[in-house]
Amino acid sequence: EIVMTQSPATLSVSPGERATLSCRASQSVSSNLAWYQQKPGQAPRLLIYGASTRATGIPARFSGSGSGTEFTLTISSLQSEDFAVYYCQQYNNWPPVTFGGGTKVEIK
Amino acid sequence: EVQLVESGGGLVQPGGSLRLSCAASGFTFSSYDMHWVRQATGKGLEWVSAIGTAGDTYYPGSVKGRFTISRENAKNSLYLQMNSLRAGDTAVYYCARSTVTNWYFDLWGRGTLVTVSS
Repeated sequence: EIVMTQSPATLSVSPGERATLSCRASQSVSSNLAWYQQKPGQAPRLLIYGASTRATGIPARFSGSGSGTEFTLTISSLQSEDFAVYYCQQYNNWPPVTFGGGTKVEIK
Repeated sequence: EVQLVESGGGLVQPGGSLRLSCAASGFTFSSYDMHWVRQATGKGLEWVSAIGTAGDTYYPGSVKGRFTISRENAKNSLYLQMNSLRAGDTAVYYCARSTVTNWYFDLWGRGTLVTVSS
């Protein structure tokens, strides 16, 4: 089973600033990596798949990069609605697909 | 509207059983792989089961032999039969959709809460 590790666990950022979230896989997942956003009381929402492709309707301020074992989600200028928990997920080796533990982006 | 709506959650005693349902609408249900993903309160996401378009099924070790996923394409419905439930199965259970070739989840339901407690 591939273990996904996200860092940091919590990221404190001011509105308008850039946020950089990291995700590491225990072995290569090629570019088969997705990112999700989850707000309290809501289901996760797909942001990025294929490591760098934005899902339908996702604003351009969200970007993904990386391949192999190291991945990054960047939010270029944080808006109030972006404060949430973000999860990465690998779908290269399945079953099982596996998720990272999440990064909470909070207001500084 | 493209959506997934779960139902069937509730309180069950340890060792008991529960059957979850997921109603799909707005898309060709039979063309997608379908999944259950759960989340314990304050915790992360855990993939629980999947079923392919041909009815092939997949489970992680934590639920294999206790949970059974099934689908009824004529009714655009997905199910999860959960037996021998444990306290550790307490979570919100989400129904989710993926393509056949890439198991990322582009559509999620709102979830249904399962509580296993005496």
